[in-house]
Amino acid sequence: DARVTQTPRHKVTEMGQEVTMRCQPILGHNTVFWYRQTMMQGLELLAYFRNRAPLDDSGMPKDRFSAEMPDATLATLKIQPSEPRDSAVYFCASGLPQGLEQYFGPGTRLTVT
Amino acid sequence: AQSVTQLGSHVSVSEGALVLLRCNYSSSVPPYLFWYVQYPNQGLQLLLKYTSAATLVKGINGFEAEFKKSETSFHLTKPSAHMSDAAEYFCAVSVGTSYDKVIFGPGTSLSVIP
Repeated sequence: DARVTQTPRHKVTEMGQEVTMRCQPILGHNTVFWYRQTMMQGLELLAYFRNRAPLDDSGMPKDRFSAEMPDATLATLKIQPSEPRDSAVYFCASGLPQGLEQYFGPGTRLTVT
Repeated sequence: AQSVTQLGSHVSVSEGALVLLRCNYSSSVPPYLFWYVQYPNQGLQLLLKYTSAATLVKGINGFEAEFKKSETSFHLTKPSAHMSDAAEYFCAVSVGTSYDKVIFGPGTSLSVIP
């Protein structure tokens, strides 16, 4: 049963620290998405990649957030420095081009104190 | 610009009653439309999708949705609610020339009363 995996599942950190979240997309999927979910804003698209190239990162605060795909099996989302307002659940999803369905990981719950 | 609205942030139904979750979309081009479900502490999973074939779409767990272009709606229904249907439901529309990018609605939380 192919699944998107995300690590860590939970992260508590202090303001100003660097946070790195990792995602392993489903093997063979070449489109990867990063979302942030909060009660106030709902589900927001931060960035997405196709064939490891960033296609859209307009939803991401550029000054502190960065997203990369070092290889086809790993996507990373980094926050440096972290702030309390970054507290949220971060989801990674993967899919096939024009396959339309996105497969979501279980999420990383980030708390910044 | 494409957008999705969901009427009612919270819906309660009795077990065995009809489930109706409302979704309206705005799109300048023929849309692809989706319903996703999120159970507590989990990621979203696809319930069903409309891709310009049949206007009545059947999904998993007994859910279905009907695309009505004249009403710009894509409401989700299930004839008989089960306790296990309690979850958050998201309507979404895909945008862009490749239809990769999806815009999600704010979600509707469904409670099922025994």
